[in-house]
Amino acid sequence: NAGVTQTPKFQVLKTGQSMTLQCAQDMNHEYMSWYRQDPGMGLRLIHYSVGAGITDQGEVPNGYNVSRSTTEDFPLRLLSAAPSQTSVYFCASSYSFYSDWTGGLGNTEAFFGQGTRLTVV
Amino acid sequence: AQSVTQLDSQVPVFEEAPVELRCNYSSSVSVYLFWYVQYPNQGLQLLLKYLSGSTLVKGINGFEAEFNKSQTSFHLRKPSVHISDTAEYFCAVSVWMDSSYKLIFGSGTRLLVRP
Repeated sequence: NAGVTQTPKFQVLKTGQSMTLQCAQDMNHEYMSWYRQDPGMGLRLIHYSVGAGITDQGEVPNGYNVSRSTTEDFPLRLLSAAPSQTSVYFCASSYSFYSDWTGGLGNTEAFFGQGTRLTVV
Repeated sequence: AQSVTQLDSQVPVFEEAPVELRCNYSSSVSVYLFWYVQYPNQGLQLLLKYLSGSTLVKGINGFEAEFNKSQTSFHLRKPSVHISDTAEYFCAVSVWMDSSYKLIFGSGTRLLVRP
């Protein structure tokens, strides 16, 4: 059971380049999210999705796009990379016990990928 | 607004000594509380969680945490730490807002266990 898989593990980009960070989970989780981790700031929510076809912004969405065409995949796109986006990115997923579409993390455990370390020069 | 405060950015401790990592949260609504651990170059994994019921929660690797509603705290404790407990620890709250639950993290506490 792979859990949450993120690719790539490391990436160096030049300012202005675009790229997509991949995230896939094989647990049939409804809820998926992207965080960035910066020193002294913990993890901050970028975007999240409560199910296929539904996405929403988190705390720090600027400069990032997401889509959720399938339950399994939740890619994060950097439109035009900037040095301020140098960070470690984590994808997370959780199974919602709620039957309606607004189910989220609630009282369920979030499973995290191994992270992508991105450097923008 | 909901927030999570971890007062200590780093906690050095000797092996086999007890440790307490502090976490306070602010929320006007009911929350679910979590502690996650991040070992070097790895993702986060769940240590323990408080959902309801007993305020003392036991987790993996001998850790436990106590929920104190009046003080809005959820401190993590271990009676005797090992070198292998060296890691970063994150307190988090799951709150309902904007039609969905959000997991809000504290800034993390780095536990450094010395021999």
